[in-house]
Amino acid sequence: QQQVKQSPQSLIVQKGGISIINCAYENTAFDYFPWYQQFPGKGPALLIAIRPDVSEKKEGRFTISFNKSAKQFSLHIMDSQPGDSATYFCAASMVITDKLIFGTGTRLQVFP
Amino acid sequence: DAGVIQSPRHEVTEMGQEVTLRCKPISGHDYLFWYRQTMMRGLELLIYFNNNVPIDDSGMPEDRFSAKMPNASFSTLKIQPSEPRDSAVYFCASSFFNRDGYTFGSGTRLTVV
Repeated sequence: QQQVKQSPQSLIVQKGGISIINCAYENTAFDYFPWYQQFPGKGPALLIAIRPDVSEKKEGRFTISFNKSAKQFSLHIMDSQPGDSATYFCAASMVITDKLIFGTGTRLQVFP
Repeated sequence: DAGVIQSPRHEVTEMGQEVTLRCKPISGHDYLFWYRQTMMRGLELLIYFNNNVPIDDSGMPEDRFSAKMPNASFSTLKIQPSEPRDSAVYFCASSFFNRDGYTFGSGTRLTVV
């Protein structure tokens, strides 16, 4: 119940295309869902986050879609750029424990 | 702010030796987390502190691992004795109120030979 399942493991997208990464969770007590971006040799960095009281959040080219009934959330990267090539992690936490549980990561490669 | 500072960046040690990883969180942050990242297991939470007090150490793999936070600006993760299976990248992260996103350090790449 503590797991966050992430797919796909890797993703190859052409420049200008849309990248979509999906995550699913079981524990309905989770109430905070961030996405992190990690470049090689660096630590993960917060990209965008959503709480379950909204179904979508957009920041620039990055959008989180959240489906509370399906217990799923996804990251959409519009107009993908080679600079977006990185590993993306979804995560979830709940009020009681306050610790983030991370998905297994998606390696995104955007080719020009 | 310089962000979360970890040292060393790389550590190569022989099996059986003691290893100490260090972390300086962002000033004012009241939560500190230690994560381990491997290809096989991804990002695993080892332990976290709130106001220098350990809150949850259920992720610490075994007694060979220990972590301390003697003050708000410094934490250590110690492995004694180290084993080859401890080879991984260890990240420290800090946050404020634990809800607005973690700031990760650049990590320590540990290799135990």
